[in-house]
Amino acid sequence: ETGVTQTPRHLVMGMTNKKSLKCEQHLGHNAMYWYKQSAKKPLELMFVYSLEERVENNSVPSRFSPECPNSSHLFLHLHTLQPEDSALYLCASSQERQSTYEQYFGPGTRLTVT
Amino acid sequence: AQTVTQSQPEMSVQEAETVTLSCTYDTSENNYYLFWYKQPPSRQMILVIRQEAYKQQNATENRFSVNFQKAAKSFSLKISDSQLGDTAMYFCAFNSGTSYGKLTFGQGTILTVHP
Repeated sequence: ETGVTQTPRHLVMGMTNKKSLKCEQHLGHNAMYWYKQSAKKPLELMFVYSLEERVENNSVPSRFSPECPNSSHLFLHLHTLQPEDSALYLCASSQERQSTYEQYFGPGTRLTVT
Repeated sequence: AQTVTQSQPEMSVQEAETVTLSCTYDTSENNYYLFWYKQPPSRQMILVIRQEAYKQQNATENRFSVNFQKAAKSFSLKISDSQLGDTAMYFCAFNSGTSYGKLTFGQGTILTVHP
């Protein structure tokens, strides 16, 4: 596998379910990100992990819980979600202190909350 | 806080023609980085082109080039010889040169290339 992978690609869950999204990067990067992409809205940065430490949490509701066990893996744990949480969730990675600062994105998980 | 604005929600162009997508940003930083990302329908977001603010020369990548106007805080993307595969959502993004690559994105422009 190369680049950034995300599983599952599609997820339908009820409001009382608990599920997790997984992201894995194979690029040797040390910073990882979760974004939410809703229709007709800019990408919303949710969480940033740099060197496995959470460095940013953009006022995300507690029903979203990130986890970064190592520099290659990032999880987003979901529980008691709301229908408005339905969106495309994108994971990205980058190399800290790299001069170009570009991010590499995964294909996303399309989440539908019923 | 930095903001990025893309004022064209949708654009269309005929195959082989040239199209320009607009982007403006607001920042008090002097050193920063600008990017254009492409997100094809149901496909992965990929980097199209990047520009370092300290470089006066406009970046080019094959058919893609930018017009970077630092004083005006403008960063437009020009696509020459448009191809059907260029149909996608295009996002302009800004990074202030922090130690990790935090990006601020614009709202996106949907580009459709017609045969």
